[in-house]
Amino acid sequence: EPEVTQTPSHQVTQMGQEVILRCVPISNHLYFYWYRQILGQKVEFLVSFYNNEISEKSEIFDDQFSVERPDGSNFTLKIRSTKLEDSAMYFCASSEDSYGYTFGSGTRLTVV
Amino acid sequence: QKEVEQDPGPLSVPEGAIVSLNCTYSNSAFQYFMWYRQYSRKGPELLMYTYSSGNKEDGRFTAQVDKSSKYISLFIRDSQPSDSATYLCAMEDNAGNMLTFGGGTRLMVKP
Repeated sequence: EPEVTQTPSHQVTQMGQEVILRCVPISNHLYFYWYRQILGQKVEFLVSFYNNEISEKSEIFDDQFSVERPDGSNFTLKIRSTKLEDSAMYFCASSEDSYGYTFGSGTRLTVV
Repeated sequence: QKEVEQDPGPLSVPEGAIVSLNCTYSNSAFQYFMWYRQYSRKGPELLMYTYSSGNKEDGRFTAQVDKSSKYISLFIRDSQPSDSATYLCAMEDNAGNMLTFGGGTRLMVKP
Protein backbone atom coordinates (compact mmCIF):
# COMPACT_ATOMS: atom_id res chain seq x y z
CA GLU A 1 0.00 0.00 0.00
CA PRO A 2 1.39 3.47 -0.87
CA GLU A 3 2.63 5.47 2.06
CA VAL A 4 3.87 8.89 3.02
CA THR A 5 7.50 8.76 4.12
CA GLN A 6 8.98 11.21 6.61
CA THR A 7 12.60 11.74 7.58
CA PRO A 8 14.17 11.90 10.06
CA SER A 9 12.02 9.99 12.53
CA HIS A 10 13.58 11.94 15.40
CA GLN A 11 15.46 15.22 15.33
CA VAL A 12 17.10 16.90 18.30
CA THR A 13 18.13 20.50 17.81
CA GLN A 14 19.36 23.36 19.91
CA MET A 15 17.15 26.34 20.51
CA GLY A 16 17.70 28.97 17.84
CA GLN A 17 18.81 26.50 15.17
CA GLU A 18 17.03 25.88 11.90
CA VAL A 19 15.59 22.48 11.05
CA ILE A 20 14.22 20.99 7.85
CA LEU A 21 11.71 18.19 8.05
CA ARG A 22 11.33 16.11 4.94
CA CYS A 23 8.41 14.26 3.44
CA VAL A 24 7.84 12.15 0.35
CA PRO A 25 4.09 12.18 -0.38
CA ILE A 26 2.27 9.46 -2.30
CA SER A 27 3.27 9.85 -5.93
CA ASN A 28 -0.11 10.61 -7.54
CA HIS A 29 -1.32 12.89 -4.76
CA LEU A 30 -1.72 16.59 -5.46
CA TYR A 31 -2.49 18.06 -2.04
CA PHE A 32 0.09 18.23 0.71
CA TYR A 33 -0.14 19.18 4.36
CA TRP A 34 1.79 19.61 7.55
CA TYR A 35 0.24 19.03 10.96
CA ARG A 36 1.79 18.92 14.39
CA GLN A 37 0.92 17.29 17.68
CA ILE A 38 2.40 18.54 20.93
CA LEU A 39 2.61 15.71 23.45
CA GLY A 40 -0.81 15.09 25.01
CA GLN A 41 -2.56 17.64 22.80
CA LYS A 42 -4.68 17.65 19.65
CA VAL A 43 -3.35 17.24 16.16
CA GLU A 44 -3.15 20.79 14.82
CA PHE A 45 -3.19 22.02 11.24
CA LEU A 46 -0.19 24.03 10.08
CA VAL A 47 -0.38 24.45 6.31
CA SER A 48 -1.83 23.05 3.10
CA PHE A 49 -0.10 23.19 -0.27
CA TYR A 50 -1.48 22.70 -3.74
CA ASN A 51 -0.21 23.57 -7.21
CA ASN A 52 3.10 24.81 -5.80
CA GLU A 53 1.60 27.33 -3.47
CA ILE A 54 0.16 27.56 0.01
CA SER A 55 -3.63 27.22 -0.08
CA GLU A 56 -4.28 27.64 3.64
CA LYS A 57 -2.24 28.24 6.77
CA SER A 58 -3.04 28.43 10.45
CA GLU A 59 -2.12 31.10 12.97
CA ILE A 60 0.68 28.83 14.14
CA PHE A 61 2.30 28.99 10.70
CA ASP A 62 3.99 32.36 11.08
CA ASP A 63 7.19 33.74 9.54
CA GLN A 64 9.21 31.18 11.44
CA PHE A 65 7.85 28.44 9.17
CA SER A 66 8.11 27.83 5.45
CA VAL A 67 7.29 24.99 3.08
CA GLU A 68 8.77 24.00 -0.21
CA ARG A 69 8.39 21.38 -2.88
CA PRO A 70 11.95 21.47 -4.21
CA ASP A 71 11.42 18.72 -6.77
CA GLY A 72 8.70 16.38 -8.00
CA SER A 73 8.80 14.09 -5.00
CA ASN A 74 9.82 15.93 -1.81
CA PHE A 75 7.85 18.31 0.40
CA THR A 76 9.72 20.07 3.20
CA LEU A 77 8.90 22.08 6.30
CA LYS A 78 11.56 24.51 7.47
CA ILE A 79 11.47 25.91 10.98
CA ARG A 80 13.80 28.82 11.55
CA SER A 81 15.18 29.82 14.93
CA THR A 82 13.54 26.96 16.81
CA LYS A 83 12.01 27.52 20.24
CA LEU A 84 11.40 25.09 23.08
CA GLU A 85 7.67 25.19 22.35
CA ASP A 86 8.27 23.90 18.81
CA SER A 87 8.96 20.48 20.31
CA ALA A 88 6.26 18.21 18.91
CA MET A 89 5.49 15.43 16.46
CA TYR A 90 5.25 16.85 12.96
CA PHE A 91 3.12 14.93 10.50
CA CYS A 92 3.12 15.27 6.75
CA ALA A 93 0.00 14.20 4.87
CA SER A 94 -1.05 13.97 1.26
CA SER A 95 -4.32 13.53 -0.55
CA GLU A 96 -5.44 12.81 -4.08
CA ASP A 97 -8.61 14.87 -3.85
CA SER A 98 -8.16 17.11 -0.76
CA TYR A 99 -10.19 14.69 1.39
CA GLY A 100 -9.26 11.41 3.07
CA TYR A 101 -5.64 12.20 3.82
CA THR A 102 -2.81 9.72 4.28
CA PHE A 103 -0.45 10.67 7.08
CA GLY A 104 3.19 9.78 7.50
CA SER A 105 4.60 8.32 10.70
CA GLY A 106 5.89 11.69 11.79
CA THR A 107 9.10 13.38 12.84
CA ARG A 108 9.57 13.86 16.55
CA LEU A 109 11.26 17.23 16.99
CA THR A 110 12.93 17.91 20.32
CA VAL A 111 14.28 21.41 20.91
CA VAL A 112 16.76 21.64 23.79
CA GLN B 1 -16.84 26.38 22.93
CA LYS B 2 -14.23 24.12 21.37
CA GLU B 3 -14.80 23.33 17.70
CA VAL B 4 -14.59 19.55 18.04
CA GLU B 5 -15.01 17.77 21.36
CA GLN B 6 -14.23 14.17 22.12
CA ASP B 7 -14.26 12.28 25.40
CA PRO B 8 -10.59 11.49 26.11
CA GLY B 9 -11.30 8.21 27.90
CA PRO B 10 -9.61 5.91 28.50
CA LEU B 11 -12.37 3.54 27.50
CA SER B 12 -11.71 -0.02 28.63
CA VAL B 13 -13.80 -2.90 27.23
CA PRO B 14 -13.54 -6.69 27.12
CA GLU B 15 -12.68 -8.42 23.88
CA GLY B 16 -15.77 -8.95 21.72
CA ALA B 17 -17.64 -5.92 23.06
CA ILE B 18 -19.29 -3.29 20.88
CA VAL B 19 -17.51 0.03 21.23
CA SER B 20 -19.13 3.41 20.66
CA LEU B 21 -16.92 6.47 20.14
CA ASN B 22 -18.39 9.92 19.70
CA CYS B 23 -17.62 13.50 18.79
CA THR B 24 -19.61 16.69 18.90
CA TYR B 25 -18.84 19.79 16.92
CA SER B 26 -19.98 23.37 16.67
CA ASN B 27 -19.11 24.45 13.10
CA SER B 28 -22.09 23.83 10.81
CA ALA B 29 -19.81 24.28 7.77
CA PHE B 30 -18.23 20.87 8.33
CA GLN B 31 -19.30 18.49 5.58
CA TYR B 32 -16.67 15.75 5.60
CA PHE B 33 -16.17 13.55 8.63
CA MET B 34 -13.35 11.13 9.25
CA TRP B 35 -12.21 8.70 11.88
CA TYR B 36 -8.53 8.03 12.35
CA ARG B 37 -6.76 5.46 14.49
CA GLN B 38 -3.46 6.43 16.06
CA TYR B 39 -1.03 4.10 17.77
CA SER B 40 1.47 5.56 20.20
CA ARG B 41 4.04 7.82 18.51
CA LYS B 42 2.67 6.99 15.04
CA GLY B 43 0.76 8.98 12.46
CA PRO B 44 -3.05 8.92 12.24
CA GLU B 45 -4.38 6.14 10.01
CA LEU B 46 -7.63 6.78 8.14
CA LEU B 47 -10.38 4.32 9.09
CA MET B 48 -13.61 5.82 7.79
CA TYR B 49 -14.59 8.83 5.74
CA THR B 50 -18.17 10.04 5.24
CA TYR B 51 -19.78 12.98 3.56
CA SER B 52 -22.71 14.79 5.15
CA SER B 53 -25.27 12.83 7.19
CA GLY B 54 -25.88 9.10 7.19
CA ASN B 55 -24.21 5.80 7.92
CA LYS B 56 -21.25 4.02 6.40
CA GLU B 57 -20.12 0.49 7.15
CA ASP B 58 -16.76 -1.14 6.55
CA GLY B 59 -16.26 -4.57 8.06
CA ARG B 60 -16.48 -4.27 11.85
CA PHE B 61 -16.63 -0.47 11.70
CA THR B 62 -19.71 1.73 11.25
CA ALA B 63 -19.60 5.51 11.07
CA GLN B 64 -22.68 7.63 11.69
CA VAL B 65 -23.14 11.33 11.11
CA ASP B 66 -26.06 13.36 12.45
CA LYS B 67 -25.57 16.89 11.17
CA SER B 68 -28.78 18.15 12.76
CA SER B 69 -27.31 17.31 16.19
CA LYS B 70 -23.71 18.01 15.17
CA TYR B 71 -22.81 14.57 16.43
CA ILE B 72 -20.78 11.78 14.87
CA SER B 73 -20.13 8.24 16.05
CA LEU B 74 -17.88 5.30 15.28
CA PHE B 75 -19.03 1.82 16.27
CA ILE B 76 -16.63 -1.10 16.46
CA ARG B 77 -18.19 -4.55 16.58
CA ASP B 78 -16.47 -7.63 17.99
CA SER B 79 -13.63 -5.50 19.35
CA GLN B 80 -10.16 -7.05 19.38
CA PRO B 81 -7.08 -6.31 21.52
CA SER B 82 -5.46 -5.04 18.29
CA ASP B 83 -8.11 -2.29 18.22
CA SER B 84 -6.46 -0.77 21.30
CA ALA B 85 -5.36 2.69 20.17
CA THR B 86 -6.40 6.31 20.25
CA TYR B 87 -9.31 7.15 17.94
CA LEU B 88 -9.46 10.63 16.49
CA CYS B 89 -12.40 12.23 14.79
CA ALA B 90 -11.63 14.89 12.21
CA MET B 91 -13.78 17.20 10.12
CA GLU B 92 -13.48 19.42 7.11
CA ASP B 93 -15.58 21.98 5.28
CA ASN B 94 -16.21 22.14 1.53
CA ALA B 95 -13.04 24.15 0.92
CA GLY B 96 -11.12 21.00 1.80
CA ASN B 97 -7.95 22.71 2.94
CA MET B 98 -7.62 21.61 6.53
CA LEU B 99 -8.79 19.04 9.04
CA THR B 100 -9.98 19.97 12.51
CA PHE B 101 -9.33 17.16 14.95
CA GLY B 102 -10.90 16.12 18.21
CA GLY B 103 -8.61 15.39 21.11
CA GLY B 104 -8.91 11.61 20.67
CA THR B 105 -10.37 8.80 22.75
CA ARG B 106 -8.00 6.18 24.07
CA LEU B 107 -9.49 2.70 23.73
CA MET B 108 -8.22 -0.40 25.51
CA VAL B 109 -9.64 -3.79 24.57
CA LYS B 110 -8.74 -6.42 27.15
CA PRO B 111 -8.37 -10.09 26.17
